Amino acid sequence: DAGVTQSPTHLIKTRGQQVTLRCSPKSGHDTVSWYQQALGQGPQFIFQYYEEEERQRGNFPDRFSGHQFPNYSSELNVNALLLGDSALYLCASSLAPNTEAFFGQGTRLTVV
Amino acid sequence: GQQVMQIPQYQHVQEGEDFTTYCNSSTTLSNIQWYKQRPGGHPVFLIQLVKSGEVKKQKRLTFQFGEAKKNSSLHITATQTTDVGTYFCADFSGGYNKLIFGAGTRLAVHP
Repeated sequence: DAGVTQSPTHLIKTRGQQVTLRCSPKSGHDTVSWYQQALGQGPQFIFQYYEEEERQRGNFPDRFSGHQFPNYSSELNVNALLLGDSALYLCASSLAPNTEAFFGQGTRLTVV
Repeated sequence: GQQVMQIPQYQHVQEGEDFTTYCNSSTTLSNIQWYKQRPGGHPVFLIQLVKSGEVKKQKRLTFQFGEAKKNSSLHITATQTTDVGTYFCADFSGGYNKLIFGAGTRLAVHP
């Protein structure tokens, strides 16, 4: 079992560009959540996908959007990148609601 | 919205000393979870507490959930260098399967 996998591991983008991050949940998990973790902070919930629909959303602007595919994998898209979007982006999946969340190793995004 | 506060932000101990981090909320917590994140790593689940007054132990780690479900703590006995990392508490009060994390307590252990 590969666990939660994310790609790429590191990314450098320029202000104003767009970025797509990818996540494959742990085998058997159908719900994917995305978190943003700024340096020295706790993860902040961005949104969650279940059955290919966005089910919940945190306090993030519309520049942040996502998608879930029939195989449960997910993408996080960020448009019009700002310097403040530089962070570790974490994907998490769980077997059942409100149980242990399994996190991927994250994608470190740097916006210059 | 729901906020989970953690103290202290940072603690530096000598190997063998004990360590405690506290998690507090002004509102009732739902199910509290604890995660550990090693430097450069990702959060790894440690435990979940559900019941008021619950106490769970994992070797040198003791987790408690307050009677009023407004606070929780993680205590490590006789710290080791392998305990280094940031410990986060997180709660589901933000909604279905939506975790609200505290800012974390960073633990440094000096041999």
